Amino acid sequence: RKEVEQDPGPFNVPEGATVAFNCTYSNSASQSFFWYRQDCRKEPKLLMSVYSSGNEDGRFTAQLNRASQYISLLIRDSKLSDSATYLCVGGAGGGNKLTFGTGTQLKVEL
Amino acid sequence: EPEVTQTPSHQVTQMGQEVILRCVPISNHLYFYWYRQILGQKVEFLVSFYNNEISEKSEIFDDQFSVERPDGSNFTLKIRSTKLEDSAMYFCASRASGQHGYTFGSGTRLTVV
Repeated sequence: RKEVEQDPGPFNVPEGATVAFNCTYSNSASQSFFWYRQDCRKEPKLLMSVYSSGNEDGRFTAQLNRASQYISLLIRDSKLSDSATYLCVGGAGGGNKLTFGTGTQLKVEL
Repeated sequence: EPEVTQTPSHQVTQMGQEVILRCVPISNHLYFYWYRQILGQKVEFLVSFYNNEISEKSEIFDDQFSVERPDGSNFTLKIRSTKLEDSAMYFCASRASGQHGYTFGSGTRLTVV
């Protein structure tokens, strides 16, 4: 079983739509969780950290369920510029080594 | 906004040659990392570095790989004898103490021919 598992997509949505991504992880030692965004052939960029209490940053809401080892990302009112690959990431250990999922591709269309 | 800087952006090398990939982490960061991404695949951890020594390394990071922080600002990844399968994007990252999020550099695309 992959350590971090995501639906690869692509998710094709119209501008203004709400889209949700899910992710499951198998390593119970993972202590911190993140969503990163990666544009084609670019570096991953931190979108947001994910907490059990849930957290929101503008149009983006992330949620962690440790009991079911499940992480989600909700994007409201999607923009063309949201088109990218969204990476679910777990961090573990004192050095916070990151384990990446394969990513979910989002395409926002007119 | 502070950046992690990587050079070169693209390196082409012949199989068996040594390459050195260079990174300048953010100046007040204490944790340094190398990750790689083979085209079409996920980002994979190679090595973490803290307090002038390797703190963790993956199975990928075998004897052909080494890291160094020679002068307090640069952080280098050396591949001693490159193989075709080393072709990938190599990302350097750094992290401040007490923070969980990383800042990644824009990467070096290594092509081994």
